[in-house]
Amino acid sequence: DIQMTQSPSTLSASVGDRVTITCRASQSISTSLAWYQLKSGKAPNLLIYKASILESGVPSRFSGSGSGTEFTLTISSLQPDDFATYYCQQYDRLWAFGQGTKVEIK
Amino acid sequence: ELQLVESGGGLVKSGGSLTLSCAASGFSLRNYTMNWVRQAPGKGLERVSSISSNSNYKYYAESVSGRFTISRDNARNSVSLQMNSLRDEDTAIYYCARKRGDDLSHDAFNLWGQGTKVTVSS
Repeated sequence: DIQMTQSPSTLSASVGDRVTITCRASQSISTSLAWYQLKSGKAPNLLIYKASILESGVPSRFSGSGSGTEFTLTISSLQPDDFATYYCQQYDRLWAFGQGTKVEIK
Repeated sequence: ELQLVESGGGLVKSGGSLTLSCAASGFSLRNYTMNWVRQAPGKGLERVSSISSNSNYKYYAESVSGRFTISRDNARNSVSLQMNSLRDEDTAIYYCARKRGDDLSHDAFNLWGQGTKVTVSS
C-alpha cells in the first residue's frame, strides 16, 4: 500500500502569511495527487487535482506542485476563511489520504 | 446546485446495524463511481467503500470487509451503505463522495456531502 505523510501536522499562521504544506508518498505516484480542505460541519472541498490543477471555483491563492513522491500545497496569502484542516490524497493506486494538517490562527 | 446529502446516521449499540443513504441532486450519479469516506474522532480520512457506475466493481477497506455492503440505485439517484456488526471503532462521520471522470480513471473526489455521524456505543 502507498503511504502518504503530511507535514507539519499543525501550522500556526496569521492572515496574509504564505503557507506551505508538504505531502510525501512512500513510492512514486506521478502526479496522481489531490488536496482537500475540511471544515467542521461542512462538506470537504477539492482544491487541487493532478498535483497542480486548480479545481473550478477555488481561489487562485491556492496552488499545488510536485511529482513523483514529493508534493506541496501553497496558500500565497492566508485569508480568514482558510483556517481549516488540509489533506492530501493519492489516487495512483487505490486511494490513500495523508494524516492532515491543521492550519490555525497564530 | 450540485449536491450530495447523506442520511441515516445515529447512535447504535456495538454489534448493531445501520444503513446510510446518499442522495444526489442537481446531477445524475449514474455515470460516476461513488464512494464512502469516514473520519473518526481526532483521526484522518479513510476511504471505506466504492462502487462503480454499473455496480460491477465494489471496493471495501479491510477494516469493514465482510461487515459493510455498498449498493446504488441509479434510478433513484442514490447510494447506500449497509453497516452490520458495528464496532466502537466504526464511530465516525461518514461522507459520500463522487469521483471525477469515468469508472476506469484514477481520479480525485470532486463532490462531497456534509456527512452523517455514526456513533457506536458498547
